[in-house]
Amino acid sequence: EPEVTQTPSHQVTQMGQEVILRCVPISNHLYFYWYRQILGQKVEFLVSFYNNEISEKSEIFDDQFSVERPDGSNFTLKIRSTKLEDSAMYFCASSISAGANGYTFGSGTRLTVV
Amino acid sequence: AQTVTQSQPEMSVQEAETVTLSCTYDTSESNYYLFWYKQPPSRQMILVIRQEAYKQQNATENRFSVNFQKAAKSFSLKISDSQLGDTAMYFCAFLYEGNKLVFGAGTILRVKS
Repeated sequence: EPEVTQTPSHQVTQMGQEVILRCVPISNHLYFYWYRQILGQKVEFLVSFYNNEISEKSEIFDDQFSVERPDGSNFTLKIRSTKLEDSAMYFCASSISAGANGYTFGSGTRLTVV
Repeated sequence: AQTVTQSQPEMSVQEAETVTLSCTYDTSESNYYLFWYKQPPSRQMILVIRQEAYKQQNATENRFSVNFQKAAKSFSLKISDSQLGDTAMYFCAFLYEGNKLVFGAGTILRVKS
């Protein structure tokens, strides 16, 4: 069964550093998403991406964050000047249509900011 | 704003028995989708079942079924013949405008042998 692949599975970074979280969505999917889950809290929407541009973003997704689909297969989330509170599980997801059939999520990247 | 409420932080069930997880939501939309996702200790999010709001019939996937009460804005998940592998966090989620999932806080389900 096709999978959404996320790398790395765990990333530790120093506060203030930039990190790039990588995702390879399912090849024929057209919609891409990033979600975040702070330990013990709800899964929160960050951003959706379609046709090479952001289609929707949450209040969390401020100037510190950016997304890119650099080569037609990867979908990246960049976090600049990381803060302690950015520590969370970051999930990438993709869907063939606008989510009505449910997304396929990746296994997540656990980001730890120290 | 759409909200999803899961009122049971934790549930336990004996292996082979049936358990029901509750979910309510609040929306003014008429057409939307509802989902249950499972998150085992590996932390991966796995789609369990989906329901389209305009469909009266309750969705079923093998041992998993839902009780969708649109007027009451209720969407409960029933797991029959519970198995040890069902132990996980279960999230109810709501989708509208085709793009953004809104999740509940989750229910930890423990299946005991």
